[in-house]
Amino acid sequence: EPEVTQTPSHQVTQMGQEVILRCVPISNHLYFYWYRQILGQKVEFLVSFYNNEISEKSEIFDDQFSVERPDGSNFTLKIRSTKLEDSAMYFCASRARLASGANEQFFGPGTRLTVL
Amino acid sequence: EDQVTQSPEALRLQEGESSSLNCSYTVSGLRGLFWYRQDPGKGPEFLFTLYSAGEEKEKERLKATLTKKESFLHITAPKPEDSATYLCAVQLPPNAGGTSYGKLTFGQGTILTVHP
Repeated sequence: EPEVTQTPSHQVTQMGQEVILRCVPISNHLYFYWYRQILGQKVEFLVSFYNNEISEKSEIFDDQFSVERPDGSNFTLKIRSTKLEDSAMYFCASRARLASGANEQFFGPGTRLTVL
Repeated sequence: EDQVTQSPEALRLQEGESSSLNCSYTVSGLRGLFWYRQDPGKGPEFLFTLYSAGEEKEKERLKATLTKKESFLHITAPKPEDSATYLCAVQLPPNAGGTSYGKLTFGQGTILTVHP
């Protein structure tokens, strides 16, 4: 069964360093998302991406964040200068198509980011 | 402000003891309500999508229902392997520009523990 994959599973970095989190969405999906979950808190939306551009972003997704789909399979989240408060689980998700109703999003296993 | 609230925060059951989890929402024009299961340290695993009041969906020991203000996840004769955090999420209607990109707003989850 197709699934979303993410690498690395755990990333440890120093405050101020840049990190890139990688995702391979399900192959025929068109909509891509990043969410994050700080330990003990809700899953929070960061950004959605469609047709090679950002379609929607939250107030969390400031100038320190960027997303890219560098080729036909990968989807990346870059944090330019990490802060302690960026420590969280980051989930990638993908969705098949836009329809008149909602469509389910399938999530990857997550990358645990620890900023020291 | 749109809000999704889940109750109870935690639920402990004996194996075979049926119960229900609640997700109440105060959003205007719901596009879809989603139930996910999340195991510790893992990504949310899709369970159900509900689109309109009165709709019901079932999968093994789980049954999800939807009204205009809330959704219930009924667990019949649970087993220890049903222990997980159950997340509810809503998809909002299109923005003022008329486009919806599928952003999900999550509740805080219900931690279910089923004892043998």
